[in-house]
Amino acid sequence: AQSVSQHNHHVILSEAASLELGCNYSYGGTVNLFWYVQYPGQHLQLLLKYFSGDPLVKGIKGFEAEFIKSKFSFNLRKPSVQWSDTAEYFCAVKPNQAGTALIFGKGTTLSVSS
Amino acid sequence: NAGVTQTPKFQVLKTGQSMTLQCAQDMNHNSMYWYRQDPGMGLRLIYYSASEGTTDKGEVPNGYNVSRLNKREFSLRLESAAPSQTSVYFCASTWGQETQYFGPGTRLLVL
Repeated sequence: AQSVSQHNHHVILSEAASLELGCNYSYGGTVNLFWYVQYPGQHLQLLLKYFSGDPLVKGIKGFEAEFIKSKFSFNLRKPSVQWSDTAEYFCAVKPNQAGTALIFGKGTTLSVSS
Repeated sequence: NAGVTQTPKFQVLKTGQSMTLQCAQDMNHNSMYWYRQDPGMGLRLIYYSASEGTTDKGEVPNGYNVSRLNKREFSLRLESAAPSQTSVYFCASTWGQETQYFGPGTRLLVL
């Protein structure tokens, strides 16, 4: 069965520190990849997505992610985090075939101290 | 353009009671989904509807039923609520392989 693994359950950083959140998936075929963010008390919002092309994708609020096909990975990065980045981050994968749904990782909680 | 809307926002049920969670989207999306979110578990798919007239089970369908009423609306029904169904429920929709858009969620507490 397809699955998505997020390596870190809870990450604690100081403002201006760099961030990298790991995400690996298991699926042999073509996939579309997403990172969603959920700020406290809010619903999920799309940070960025990868469908094809340049494996380095840029999203909102200075986030970027790199798709490494050989490693089945789609890690999220930000060079310098802010207090307002405190949130839960979800990696999600969608097999590129009709009739399938997003598969989510368990999420990583990011706490940024000012 | 309201996107994905869900009602109610919050509900308290007693064990054994039934209720229906409503979801509607105004983006002309063909696919709709119901997820539940529990601490440390991420989002788990309950049911989805790839297109009007079709529904399929997801990862955790037991205790739930769904109805794709029309292209816009996709409801989730709990026939006999159990404390294990205490959760936050999110509805989502998408067109084809594109981005899923999520509703604001329904917080359900089953006593």
